[in-house]
Amino acid sequence: KAGVTQTPRYLIKTRGQQVTLSCSPISGHRSVSWYQQTPGQGLQFLFEYFSETQRNKGNFPGRFSGRQFSNSRSEMNVSTLELGDSALYLCASSAAGDREVLEQYFGPGTRLTVT
Amino acid sequence: LAKTTQPISMDSYEGQEVNITCSHNNIATNDYITWYQQFPSQGPRFIIQGYKTKVTNEVASLFIPADRKSSTLSLPRVSLSDTAVYYCLVGTGRRALTFGSGTRLQVQP
Repeated sequence: KAGVTQTPRYLIKTRGQQVTLSCSPISGHRSVSWYQQTPGQGLQFLFEYFSETQRNKGNFPGRFSGRQFSNSRSEMNVSTLELGDSALYLCASSAAGDREVLEQYFGPGTRLTVT
Repeated sequence: LAKTTQPISMDSYEGQEVNITCSHNNIATNDYITWYQQFPSQGPRFIIQGYKTKVTNEVASLFIPADRKSSTLSLPRVSLSDTAVYYCLVGTGRRALTFGSGTRLQVQP
């Protein structure tokens, strides 16, 4: 089975711009989660989508949004970029059912640099 | 929330067994315990998951006492390639998706 793929792998944007990151989960996986990782804050949960619905949400401002398509592929969008948004953005998929999230499989991440 | 506490760092030598303990005093009845491994600039990798007693796979063992207020990840005969950060996650739903600070394991030759 192919793993989780994320595009693009690297991105450089300037403050005030917006960015869209893409994630393709493992075939058959319906749950997709997004994380932000920075040296200072560690690995922080952004949101999780299951069957095109946001099921769980972390403590991030509304500038961070996401969506999931019927084929389980997911995108996350960050509007009005700030320098502090520079981070590794990780996507993870799992075969989770409705009641709990089971083991997650992470993609390689998108390295976003905001200048 | 079932807050987890792990040692910040551990050192070991190649060939030794490493045990990393995670405390989770407020674990709920429905909560699962999951461990991940992360190398620099890569996404975490699922290692093992359990609910109670002992779970073993080809990579590690997970020991969970009867009260489930702690768990121990056991890595047999570590090698240099096991140098990584190890995360313990406890919960279901959103809580199962919350990573703590992790334990930085350094394996020396």
